[in-house]
Amino acid sequence: GESVGLHLPTLSVQEGDNSIINCAYSNSASDYFIWYKQESGKGPQFIIDIRSNMDKRQGQRVTVLLNKTVKHLSLQIAATQPGDSAVYFCAEMGIENAGNMLTFGGGTRLMVKP
Amino acid sequence: DTGVSQNPRHKITKRGQNVTFRCDPISEHNRLYWYRQTLGQGPEFLTYFQNEAQLEKSRLLSDRFSAERPKGSFSTLEIQRTEQGDSAMYLCASSLVGGVEAFFGQGTRLTVV
Repeated sequence: GESVGLHLPTLSVQEGDNSIINCAYSNSASDYFIWYKQESGKGPQFIIDIRSNMDKRQGQRVTVLLNKTVKHLSLQIAATQPGDSAVYFCAEMGIENAGNMLTFGGGTRLMVKP
Repeated sequence: DTGVSQNPRHKITKRGQNVTFRCDPISEHNRLYWYRQTLGQGPEFLTYFQNEAQLEKSRLLSDRFSAERPKGSFSTLEIQRTEQGDSAMYLCASSLVGGVEAFFGQGTRLTVV
């Protein structure tokens, strides 16, 4: 498959362990913060979003934490599986800012060892 | 519905040639976005449509880039007089108005030689 990124920060975890991926964002005025997963040769896939007035949101096996004081976002993946191996991007969105356009941060490559 | 579809998946062109990419969004989605992604970077917003109206195009990279969505369904992105720096993945996404979740296609990988 095609590589999404050649020199991305990489997080390597053992299958079954929990993973934490971090992101620093820049725009305090963003209304939503969103995590996307991108597998090799594919487009980004939505994982979970969090509104700016929240500090935690849980999905299926994923939790997103938002710390507005230090402009930090994290994605926690429980019981990481080989299928979770991908590049993960955080993104910011301002409601009706250019039609809900996304501003992506740098990605993190997650590698899951069996 | 099979999601957002982009064609071609890969395009190799000589410098100076024009190229056109097509995006078919999810049928009920009225917003359509184009992004560009270079290796090691997150996608970068280029332009978007709401139905057939192009409501933001100031972030298109140069006047060689243009996009259309003539009937509010599929969209095309054209790059004229391609340059080597245009080599990248071009991604299309669609969403509902007011929707937070954008659905991306698999992209068109452009290589300019």
